Amino acid sequence: AQTVTQSQPEMSVQEAETVTLSCTYDTSESDYYLFWYKQPPSRQMILVIRQEAYKQQNATENRFSVNFQKAAKSFSLKISDSQLGDAAMYFCASSYNNNDMRFGAGTRLTVKP
Amino acid sequence: EAGVAQSPRYKIIEKRQSVAFWCNPISGHATLYWYQQILGQGPKLLIQFQNNGVVDDSQLPKDRFSAERLKGVDSTLKIQPAKLEDSAVYLCASSPGRVNYNEQFFGPGTRLTVL
Repeated sequence: AQTVTQSQPEMSVQEAETVTLSCTYDTSESDYYLFWYKQPPSRQMILVIRQEAYKQQNATENRFSVNFQKAAKSFSLKISDSQLGDAAMYFCASSYNNNDMRFGAGTRLTVKP
Repeated sequence: EAGVAQSPRYKIIEKRQSVAFWCNPISGHATLYWYQQILGQGPKLLIQFQNNGVVDDSQLPKDRFSAERLKGVDSTLKIQPAKLEDSAVYLCASSPGRVNYNEQFFGPGTRLTVL
């Protein structure tokens, strides 16, 4: 079974500070992809960052970076210099064959001014 | 580039009624997905189309849910008859193809309330 687990239902961060959202996954596949999606209150989900499992280098997109620990099956998201616009639900997801995407339950991030 | 369009945005029905949702993917995107997102949970894949063919419908409750993608473009998801537990947001997404790294582009969703 392909499962994605996000153990933090809610997180909060002070504006301009750094926050890390956790995600673990379970797979027996060797070729897979991992994603973080952001879902603001308007509910349109957008991709934040993606990581190919075969790449050892952690992906980075501006203020967003991941810590990919393949052996531990861990894929955390770090948001640096948090902004008010970062407040949203964040979903970790994995994709195996045929682009079948499995999502975690999500982490609600609150950014305090 | 226009995004994924969905309608209606909101729908309230009584249990045992029927309802249909419509999705128009991004132009040229071969793959289309329907997800069900129950409050407090992540999206769950219901069905995946590649052009007008079904790739995966293993999690679609086929006794009440149906979906089609005629001509490989627009898609319709139908529930008949609806149950209380069908209350959720139904998300449509599209991607250019079946390669794993392809980003999925999501629509705004349809919020269904079954009373």
